[in-house]
Amino acid sequence: EVQVVESGGGLVQPGKSLEVSCAASGFTFSSYWMSWVRQAPGKGLEWVANINQDGSEEYYVDSVKGRFTISRDNAANSLFLQMNSLRAEDTAIYYCAREGQLGAYYYGLDVWGQGTTVTVSS
Amino acid sequence: EIVLTQSPGTLSLSPGERATLSCRASQTVSSNYLAWYQQKPGQAPRLLFYGASSRATGIPDRFSGRGSGTDFTLTISRLEPEDFVVYYCQHYGSSPYTFGQGTKLEIK
Repeated sequence: EVQVVESGGGLVQPGKSLEVSCAASGFTFSSYWMSWVRQAPGKGLEWVANINQDGSEEYYVDSVKGRFTISRDNAANSLFLQMNSLRAEDTAIYYCAREGQLGAYYYGLDVWGQGTTVTVSS
Repeated sequence: EIVLTQSPGTLSLSPGERATLSCRASQTVSSNYLAWYQQKPGQAPRLLFYGASSRATGIPDRFSGRGSGTDFTLTISRLEPEDFVVYYCQHYGSSPYTFGQGTKLEIK
């Protein structure tokens, strides 16, 4: 079964750090771009960051640039999001998602995990 | 950055009716890399359409997507009770990707 499973969320104080992880299975992880998407309580979806297949390209939404770092370990089929200098507005469910691809054609975020909740509060 | 504006914010209809949801981009979406997602309460989003009009695996044919450039539409021809949830559009042609703010479909 193709799936991704997030972990590592929790309660953290403002200004502190947290790393969330995503374990992939059922597909060739190293062949796909991967994204993180978040959803604040009662709000819409916000794309956060993505990374290419070998980790040589990374892109971020402006609100997290310089604070968050996306990375991957293809040998371990894992995706990570290191979050530093956390703020109350980073409170959200963080979803890991696969970017569907067939050859040179991309077809959106086709596999999603159930998310891990990050709460930033003192 | 491409800004996506979805309208209406909330759409009130009855089961069996036709729903038309709009997504307008602030600039041309390259390669028509526009996706639609459905999100049910307490669940992760599910991909409905990619490339503006290509239906994802397992999506019923009462759902259809169309559009190009800056104007895109998701249509549900005959609403079923399980369709009354939230829908998002997203462009993925170039980073940073962005989502629209969502359209909530509610029972009238």
